[in-house]
Amino acid sequence: QVQLQMSGPGLVKPSETLSLMCTVSGGSISGYYWSWVRQPPGKGLEWLGYIYFSGTTLYNPSFESRVTMSVDTSKNQLSLNLNSVSAADTAVYYCAKGQSDTYWRFDSWGQGTLVTVSS
Amino acid sequence: DIVLTQSPDSLAVSLGERATINCKSSQSILYSPNNKNSLSWFQQKPGQPPKLLIYWASTRESGVPDRFSGSGSGTDFTLTITSLQPEDAAVYYCQQYYDIGTFGQGTKLEIK
Repeated sequence: QVQLQMSGPGLVKPSETLSLMCTVSGGSISGYYWSWVRQPPGKGLEWLGYIYFSGTTLYNPSFESRVTMSVDTSKNQLSLNLNSVSAADTAVYYCAKGQSDTYWRFDSWGQGTLVTVSS
Repeated sequence: DIVLTQSPDSLAVSLGERATINCKSSQSILYSPNNKNSLSWFQQKPGQPPKLLIYWASTRESGVPDRFSGSGSGTDFTLTITSLQPEDAAVYYCQQYYDIGTFGQGTKLEIK
C-alpha cells in the first residue's frame, strides 16, 4: 500500500493562500485519482475535489473559485492551493488515493495536517 | 446539491449487540448504468483518517470484517454492525458519489 506524506504550513493568515503538498511513496501517482478532503475541528468531512494523474480535475463547486490542485508525476507529488482563506477554512486537510477508475474508493490517506487560519 | 442526513447523531450499544446507522439522501443516488447506489460508508477513529468500509451501498471493502454490512436503495440506506467489538467505537460517515462527493454529518458510536 502506498504511503502519503503531507507537508505544509500549519498556520496561514486570513486572505492568504493555503498551500499543501502530498508526497506519494511506495507506488506511483500515475494511473490513479487523488482527492483532497478536509475536516474542521470537531466537525464532519468535506470533499474538496480530485485530480487525475493526467491533470484532469473536478472541484467541489463550493470551493471551485478558490481551489487549485496540481500533480507532478516526476516527483510523485500532489499540491493543493486554497486562496483567500478565512477562519472557516481552519481544518485538518487530507490527501487520499482513489482507484484507476473511481475517485471515491479511497484506499490510502495522508496522515492529515491541521491548518489554522489566524492572524 | 445532494444532502445526506444521518440518524441518530450518536448511539451507545452494548458489546456483542447490533448497531444500526441510517443515512437518508435528499434525492435518489441510483447510478443507472450499473443499477447500483452511489453510497459509501466510512469509519473514523480519533486522530485517524477515515477508513472505507462499504461502497456501492452494500459491497464490503477488502479486509473489512463481515459483521459490517450495508443495505438500502434509492434514498434510504443503513449500515449495520453486528456483534459489536470495542474497536468499533468510532464516528461513521456515509458519502454519496452520484454527484460531487458529499458526506453525511456523522454518527458517533459508543460501546457500552
